[in-house]
Amino acid sequence: DADVTQTPRNRITKTGKRIMLECSQTKGHDRMYWYRQDPGLGLRLIYYSFDVKDINKGEISDGYSVSRQAQAKFSLSLESAIPNQTALYFCATSGHGQGNTEAFFGQGTRLTVV
Amino acid sequence: GENVEQHPSTLSVQEGDSAVIKCTYSDSASNYFPWYKQELGKGPQLIIDIRSNVGEKKDQRIAVTLNKTAKHFSLHITETQPEDSAVYFCAATDSWGKLQFGAGTQVVVTP
Repeated sequence: DADVTQTPRNRITKTGKRIMLECSQTKGHDRMYWYRQDPGLGLRLIYYSFDVKDINKGEISDGYSVSRQAQAKFSLSLESAIPNQTALYFCATSGHGQGNTEAFFGQGTRLTVV
Repeated sequence: GENVEQHPSTLSVQEGDSAVIKCTYSDSASNYFPWYKQELGKGPQLIIDIRSNVGEKKDQRIAVTLNKTAKHFSLHITETQPEDSAVYFCAATDSWGKLQFGAGTQVVVTP
């Protein structure tokens, strides 16, 4: 089984709909992240959480919200999807401290908003 | 905050030749510089990393160099093979330990 699992893998939704992307991890890491990937723009951070009670905005948080339901679960919501939120979304986890900073990524969720 | 620039955006090399990708960063407090490889349909995976107290690190055909004074670091792939074709991302940590990624380099190795 994958260390970081994202569901769904692919989703097509209509403008204005609410959608949730889910992420779970078996790494035992405290830190979890949501990134968005667009061609030519790399991976941009949407939200991150350093532990269960910690939620922080990243560089492109507008139009998104998150919930850290448990150490192993971190979900991303689009309250009212719009076409320019069409992208590839990645969840990632990491530990912290020297020697434990590697980030592990899920397989990604390809979201299309029509 | 941290800003990471990556060049080139695309790189085409003949099989067996070397490939070099360069990145610059802005935050002098950054101390961890990983490189990720993303194959088609998959999430990025760490291939090599370097910390600020080291100038160079090598792992078989891949190597990374870091110049802290100039705030730049590079990935070197020697004897390229078709399986090296992928998108490569450099990254640098900010003061909170979060990773800031470059825009990515699409590497194509032609036989």
